[in-house]
Amino acid sequence: DAMVIQNPRYQVTQFGKPVTLSCSQTLNHNVMYWYQQKSSQAPKLLFHYYDKDFNNEADTPDNFQSRRPNTSFCFLDIRSPGLGDAAMYLCATSRDRRIPTDTQYFGPGTRLTVL
Amino acid sequence: AQSVTQPDIHITVSEGASLELRCNYSYGATPYLFWYVQSPGQGLQLLLKYFSGDTLVQGIKGFEAEFKRSQSSFNLRKPSVHWSDAAEYFCAVGARTTSGTYKYIFGTGTRLKVLA
Repeated sequence: DAMVIQNPRYQVTQFGKPVTLSCSQTLNHNVMYWYQQKSSQAPKLLFHYYDKDFNNEADTPDNFQSRRPNTSFCFLDIRSPGLGDAAMYLCATSRDRRIPTDTQYFGPGTRLTVL
Repeated sequence: AQSVTQPDIHITVSEGASLELRCNYSYGATPYLFWYVQSPGQGLQLLLKYFSGDTLVQGIKGFEAEFKRSQSSFNLRKPSVHWSDAAEYFCAVGARTTSGTYKYIFGTGTRLKVLA
């Protein structure tokens, strides 16, 4: 089945220790997104890739970076995690952001704990 | 400003009872509306979407939603709730950005509890 896969499902890191979260997709979608979701809140878009073009949301902290080495994979790097970065991180994909009917498909998420 | 409001933070229903989750949107153009469900510790799964045409939309797991332009609403319904429906439900609108692309604006979610 075509899907969005996130690894690991649970990640524990220490305050200030860099961490990388991984997302892969078999849908062959052009767009890959990273969302941050804190407890009982709506997902908050951090950034997305449209093919190789990186698009950052205006309020995403510099501490968050992303890489997309190929169509299938996208990584979220948190350079110096703070306690406030503990959250669920959701990866999503879609075909084409230029059309309003574009539907996003979400992975299961990675829950990040910062000690 | 573009926004999505889900007025009910928590809803509790008994198993077998009917369910309606409210969603109101504020969007100047034709809205493209989505409902997603998130089970505990999981990602979001698309339940249904509305783009145009019939204002009553059928989705997966027995859910339906009705688009009412006059009320700026897109309420989600299910005639008979099952215990496995306990989850968080998010309404979203596909909103046009300044660059001409589209992004989701999510509501804050409604957490559904189902009593046996």
